[in-house]
Amino acid sequence: KQEVTQIPAALSVPEGENLVLNCSFTDSAIYNLQWFRQDPGKGLTSLLLIQSSQREQTSGRLNASLDKSSGRSTLYIAASQPGDSATYLCAVTGSARQLTFGSGTQLTVLP
Amino acid sequence: EAEVAQSPRYKITEKSQAVAFWCDPISGHATLYWYRQILGQGPELLVQFQDESVVDDSQLPKDRFSAERLKGVDSTLKIQPAELGDSAMYLCASSTDKETQYFGPGTRLLVL
Repeated sequence: KQEVTQIPAALSVPEGENLVLNCSFTDSAIYNLQWFRQDPGKGLTSLLLIQSSQREQTSGRLNASLDKSSGRSTLYIAASQPGDSATYLCAVTGSARQLTFGSGTQLTVLP
Repeated sequence: EAEVAQSPRYKITEKSQAVAFWCDPISGHATLYWYRQILGQGPELLVQFQDESVVDDSQLPKDRFSAERLKGVDSTLKIQPAELGDSAMYLCASSTDKETQYFGPGTRLLVL
């Protein structure tokens, strides 16, 4: 059974700092990997999707990398802003096209 | 931009009562998912529909939970009777290509 782990569970940084969120998964037979953002009490917003054949994806200040063989992904956020404060969830899609989520990293960016 | 709609947004109920949640997916999306997210955890799939058919309900507690998508469009998730441990966020998502799932705002359930 696929398991997804995210470290750290919570992170607090001053505004302007660059930061990295980590995600690991146990079964490398994935279809793709996604990073989501979730604001308190809200639904999920997809940030980046990396296909299994890709190594990274970029969107604005966000860059996600994927090392499928080692079962790891990172989300890099450049020049963090208070508006980036949210929970970031990593999810992998398996052969059944179903998402398995990690427990998330709660990010707080201090002004 | 089209969105997944869910209602109600919040629901407070007493244990042993029945509750129902509604989801209207993005028009044209054949695949619909219901997830449960306990506070501090990631969402877990409860049931997946392809049109009106259930594709996977292996994680759905069928003694108390039921889900239907009668016309292959909107869907209802029901809990009867509700238990304290059912307190969670219930998220609905839809997709067309099975790669990108679009999530609704969720229904937050509190069972007292």
